[in-house]
Amino acid sequence: DARVTQTPRHKVTEMGQEVTMRCQPILGHNTVFWYRQTMMQGLELLAYFRNRAPLDDSGMPKDRFSAEMPDATLATLKIQPSEPRDSAVYFCASGSGQRGEQFFGPGTRLTVL
Amino acid sequence: GDSVTQMEGPVTLSEEAFLTINCTYTATGYPSLFWYVQYPGEGLQLLLKATKADDKGSNKGFEATYRKETTSFHLEKGSVQVSDSAVYFCASLSGNTPLVFGKGTRLSVIA
Repeated sequence: DARVTQTPRHKVTEMGQEVTMRCQPILGHNTVFWYRQTMMQGLELLAYFRNRAPLDDSGMPKDRFSAEMPDATLATLKIQPSEPRDSAVYFCASGSGQRGEQFFGPGTRLTVL
Repeated sequence: GDSVTQMEGPVTLSEEAFLTINCTYTATGYPSLFWYVQYPGEGLQLLLKATKADDKGSNKGFEATYRKETTSFHLEKGSVQVSDSAVYFCASLSGNTPLVFGKGTRLSVIA
């Protein structure tokens, strides 16, 4: 049963620390999305890639966030330095072609103290 | 760009009650429409979809019909169960762009 995996599932860190979240998309999917979910803002699209190339990262604070796909099996989202307002659940999703269905990972719950 | 508006929650129902969650969209052209569900502590998962006008998507007793005239895709279920308690997201897709999600509607079903 193919699924998107994310690590870590939970992360507690102190303000100013670097945080790296990883995602393994479903094999064969060529599009990867990063979302952030909070109670106040709901679900926000941060960035997405197609065939490993970044297509849109306008939803991401550029000064502290960066997203990369070093290879087709790994996507990373980094926050440096982290701030308490970054506390949220971060979801990765993958999909293929234009069928639209996105498969979500279980999320990384980040708490920045 | 596209946008999706769905009814604000939370919605609280008794078991076996009828459920409707309203969703309307704005888009240039004819998007594909989706309902996703998020159970506590999990990511979103596709519940059902419809790709053209008058299509009906259905799954697990849930249904939604793509209504072009009213630009709507309301989610319905005839008899909800406690296990249906979750957050439901309506979404649209046009062309080669990412899904556009609504803000989500939290449903609580009490026994």
